[in-house]
Amino acid sequence: AQKITQTQPGMFVQEKEAVTLDCTYDTSDQSYGLFWYKQPSSGEMIFLIYQGSYDEQNATEGRYSLNFQKARKSANLVISASQLGDSAMYFCAMREGLGSSNTGKLIFGQGTTLQVKP
Amino acid sequence: ETGVTQTPRHLVMGMTNKKSLKCEQHLGHNAMYWYKQSAKKPLELMFVYSLEERVENNSVPSRFSPECPNSSHLFLHLHTLQPEDSALYLCASSQEVTYSNQPQHFGDGTRLSIL
Repeated sequence: AQKITQTQPGMFVQEKEAVTLDCTYDTSDQSYGLFWYKQPSSGEMIFLIYQGSYDEQNATEGRYSLNFQKARKSANLVISASQLGDSAMYFCAMREGLGSSNTGKLIFGQGTTLQVKP
Repeated sequence: ETGVTQTPRHLVMGMTNKKSLKCEQHLGHNAMYWYKQSAKKPLELMFVYSLEERVENNSVPSRFSPECPNSSHLFLHLHTLQPEDSALYLCASSQEVTYSNQPQHFGDGTRLSIL
């Protein structure tokens, strides 16, 4: 079973508008971390935002915010005031567990391609 | 400017060649990772090193051989590759392996094409 599901292969948004990229996850761990990465066409994976499973507040980083709904196991990325440079592939990822048994494995979703229209 | 540098950026090789991918991190991290990104597939973790010791080998074929001489450098030695090995190979690093709240920082990747 897929652990990270991104159901939107492609999204369009008008410049200056907000957009939400969906991510649902599956884990039986109580302690886990959720990450969003941006991958432009150049290939580099750029870390955007992190949400811990015990964090009560939704994470925010500049124009990025994470809509974390733990009971629904969803961690949607919200980009406000979209810019042309936001056009890229966006990946949701999860890291399970803490402690010595954690090998640092990030589990990635399939990604969502976002295109910002001028 | 990325704190993780990968070379070369592009590599074309035949199936009988031997080549190496190099990764260097300037972030003072203790953990380093190799990922494979094939078209239309999620990123797949290949190897994890913590303080130069391999802690994860994710059922990767032996034609891929990692090497971590120190905590700043990671290599992926390639030999007798197959066409399905054509992909983007991404290196990443993080402060430690064991803490789930630390992001992994990625390099630009090496785009590998097997003829």
